[in-house]
Amino acid sequence: GQQVQQSPTSLVLQEGENAELQCNFSTSLNSMQWFYQRPGGSLISVFYNPSGTKQSGRLTSTTVIKERRSSLHISSSQITDSGTYLCAMRGGSALGRLHFGAGTQLIVIP
Amino acid sequence: ETAVFQTPNYHVTQVGNEVSFNCKQTLGHDTMYWYKQDSKKLLKIMFSYNNKQLIVNETVPRRFSPQSSDKAHLNLRIKSVEPEDSAVYLCASSLTGADTEVFFGKGTRLTVV
Repeated sequence: GQQVQQSPTSLVLQEGENAELQCNFSTSLNSMQWFYQRPGGSLISVFYNPSGTKQSGRLTSTTVIKERRSSLHISSSQITDSGTYLCAMRGGSALGRLHFGAGTQLIVIP
Repeated sequence: ETAVFQTPNYHVTQVGNEVSFNCKQTLGHDTMYWYKQDSKKLLKIMFSYNNKQLIVNETVPRRFSPQSSDKAHLNLRIKSVEPEDSAVYLCASSLTGADTEVFFGKGTRLTVV
């Protein structure tokens, strides 16, 4: 079964609103990352957050390993935040690779 | 500049041709990966290499083969491309360990006509 579940699938916000993106894992994880991608664009690492809370500007990521979940909070959204946000986990062996969720497509409108 | 570098950015080819994509990382990592991103933006691992040894080989078609000369380079060769191979191929690298950050290149977009 799918190891990484992201929600919502898509989200439309008015500029200035906040967003909460969720990621749930079906197996235990060693680390996780959040990525951002624009259509046709590169995969940009937003957060490497194995556990706890990290903040960078308007973005905050919280990972709770015991509950197998991570969230990405975007405050005061801007049009330039539009794109796809992907979470990915690494678990199991030391040579484990990233397992990606299907992504949340965020659209911020004026 | 330290990063993951991929070439070419784009490639258009005909069915049955052979293609090769290059990837180099200057981050001093010892593990490299190839991922495939399909038209629905789903990302799936294809291969990973650790210290020149293939350690993960998912159920990809045999026409795909990774090639590594050293731990900083991992190329991807496709012997005879098929239409379903059209996708974005992403190279990545990390240090060994499940608790290390993974860095991605900008990808190579392959279109098979």
